[in-house]
Amino acid sequence: DTGVSQNPRHKITKRGQNVTFRCDPISEHNRLYWYRQTLGQGPEFLTYFQNEAQLEKSRLLSDRFSAERPKGSFSTLEIQRTEQGDSAMYLCASSLSGTGTNEQFFGPGTRLTVL
Amino acid sequence: AQTVTQSQPEMSVQEAETVTLSCTYDTSENNYYLFWYKQPPSRQMILVIRQEAYKQQNATENRFSVNFQKAAKSFSLKISDSQLGDTAMYFCAFTTNAGKSTFGDGTTLTVKP
Repeated sequence: DTGVSQNPRHKITKRGQNVTFRCDPISEHNRLYWYRQTLGQGPEFLTYFQNEAQLEKSRLLSDRFSAERPKGSFSTLEIQRTEQGDSAMYLCASSLSGTGTNEQFFGPGTRLTVL
Repeated sequence: AQTVTQSQPEMSVQEAETVTLSCTYDTSENNYYLFWYKQPPSRQMILVIRQEAYKQQNATENRFSVNFQKAAKSFSLKISDSQLGDTAMYFCAFTTNAGKSTFGDGTTLTVKP
């Protein structure tokens, strides 16, 4: 296992279209996180899963955003009716609970551009 | 809610010199974790160093060390013998026991030859 992977790496879409991103965590990791990062800012927490359960969602996550982790492995983040303000880097991270470190391993991100 | 503040948007240092990046945070929790991450240009975020709040001893990883002051809620990163490859954006992050992280806005570090 080479780490967290995300697809696609880049996505350009027109305003109003729906987009879906995928994240494959490190295989034994039970926690998975989604963040959004805009230029010059730190990542902002969106949501996280422990196994297949979505345990917390940020208020940043409007009803146009939905995330799933159906089998406790990969996760998808869907944005419906995209807006120009959704343009950002979407980062996924994973971790293993119970190790006492809470270290998160990040993927390369999906850069979304909404025209 | 937690907040993390990095008061230095940009810093520069000469190669082989030492630089310190500052970070303060606010929380009412007693058990948590603090991290410094490095994000090189157009590359993914990687962990630099980690500190558990219950540990009094400051963490050290080769050329990287922290000064953790729990009462002052301060967590600075010291980079010794700076190298050109240290050029990157550095993020301080506060992480709860559940693993949810709050990041600062980052410090862009440039190492000059």
